Amino acid sequence: KQEVTQIPAALSVPEGENLVLNCSFTDSAIYNLQWFRQDPGKGLTSLLLIQSSQREQTSGRLNASLDKSSGRSTLYIAASQPGDSATYLCAVRPRNTGGFKTIFGAGTRLFVKA
Amino acid sequence: NAGVTQTPKFRVLKTGQSMTLLCAQDMNHEYMYWYRQDPGMGLRLIHYSVGEGTTAKGEVPDGYNVSRLKKQNFLLGLESAAPSQTSVYFCASSYLMRGGDLEQYFGPGTRLTVT
Repeated sequence: KQEVTQIPAALSVPEGENLVLNCSFTDSAIYNLQWFRQDPGKGLTSLLLIQSSQREQTSGRLNASLDKSSGRSTLYIAASQPGDSATYLCAVRPRNTGGFKTIFGAGTRLFVKA
Repeated sequence: NAGVTQTPKFRVLKTGQSMTLLCAQDMNHEYMYWYRQDPGMGLRLIHYSVGEGTTAKGEVPDGYNVSRLKKQNFLLGLESAAPSQTSVYFCASSYLMRGGDLEQYFGPGTRLTVT
């Protein structure tokens, strides 16, 4: 059964710091991995989607990598800002469930101090 | 283009009452999903639909029913609410990208409390 784990559960950093959020999954048979941002009381916003054949994706100050063989993904945030404060969720779409199910991690709650 | 909308935003029910949550999307997406999010846990899939008139069970379907009578709408029903169904409910929709990938778009959520 696919499980997704995110470490750390919470993180507090000063503004300007570069930081890495970690995501691990137990089964490498996935279609893709997606990183989301969730603001308090809001829905999820897709940040980056990495297909299983890709190693990384970049958008602005965000870079996500995928290593299927080790079951790991990292989200790198450069030059963090207070506006980056949110919960970051990673999710994988397993191949062995027909492809329509997505398994989410519990998220990393990030606080960037001004 | 409103994306994915959910109605209502908040609701308080008494145990045993019933209600329906409405999800609507204006992106012509084939696939729609209902999730619940509980503190300290990731989102868990309740039911999903791969097209108008079809529905399928997700990870935690017990106590819920769904219907997809129109492509743009996906309804989630609670026939007899229980305190264990207190949660935040999210609807999502997706389309099939080139290469077979599905990228999900989420609604703002419905916060449901069952007393």
